[in-house]
Amino acid sequence: GQQLNQSPQSMFIQEGEDVSMNCTSSSIFNTWLWYKQDPGEGPVLLIALYKAGELTSNGRLTAQFGITRKDSFLNISASIPSDVGIYFCAGPGFNAGGTSYGKLTFGQGTILTVHP
Amino acid sequence: GAGVSQSPRYKVAKRGQDVALRCDPISGHVSLFWYQQALGQGPEFLTYFQNEAQLDKSGLPSDRFFAERPEGSVSTLKIQRTQQEDSAVYLCASSSKRRLAGGQIYEQYFGPGTRLTVT
Repeated sequence: GQQLNQSPQSMFIQEGEDVSMNCTSSSIFNTWLWYKQDPGEGPVLLIALYKAGELTSNGRLTAQFGITRKDSFLNISASIPSDVGIYFCAGPGFNAGGTSYGKLTFGQGTILTVHP
Repeated sequence: GAGVSQSPRYKVAKRGQDVALRCDPISGHVSLFWYQQALGQGPEFLTYFQNEAQLDKSGLPSDRFFAERPEGSVSTLKIQRTQQEDSAVYLCASSSKRRLAGGQIYEQYFGPGTRLTVT
């Protein structure tokens, strides 16, 4: 099945620094999503990408859909303490027959710690 | 609130007990997904409903896992004869889209999850 690899696994940064993380896939995706999960909560959708090469921003967050369709990047500018959490990339998961009903395949997450 | 709600938030079960986890999706959302999240991992797909129809249950790990959505709104995930390896957070997500057009079916909104601990 599809595998998503996120890097780095964890990051420790100072408040105000910019952050960059990425996600690579073993197969081509036509959709990329980035979620953030706080402790004890479910993932919250940050950005959705639907076209190769697409660059989308949401406040201080910017995500890009790689041209090869096998990777995506998430950047956070001027980090603040509330950016702490686990960031997941996700993409479509397909059944053996090639169909998908919208289920998501997730990466293993990047843990972000921001020091004030 | 208008988000996805799940209950209970925490459940401790003795090995061998049956448990039932409830999900209330966002009103009007036709698509409902269950995911299992082990500690330190990303969520993994369990099963999918479009209205009351269970269209994909390929992620259910064993026949001890059963999910239903009889009226196309609230869903229940049941685990029979729980085992220690069932300990995880169970997440429910819903989406307003039924088709893949535009990819928007992947814009799923998650509940807070139920943390199941089997002792």
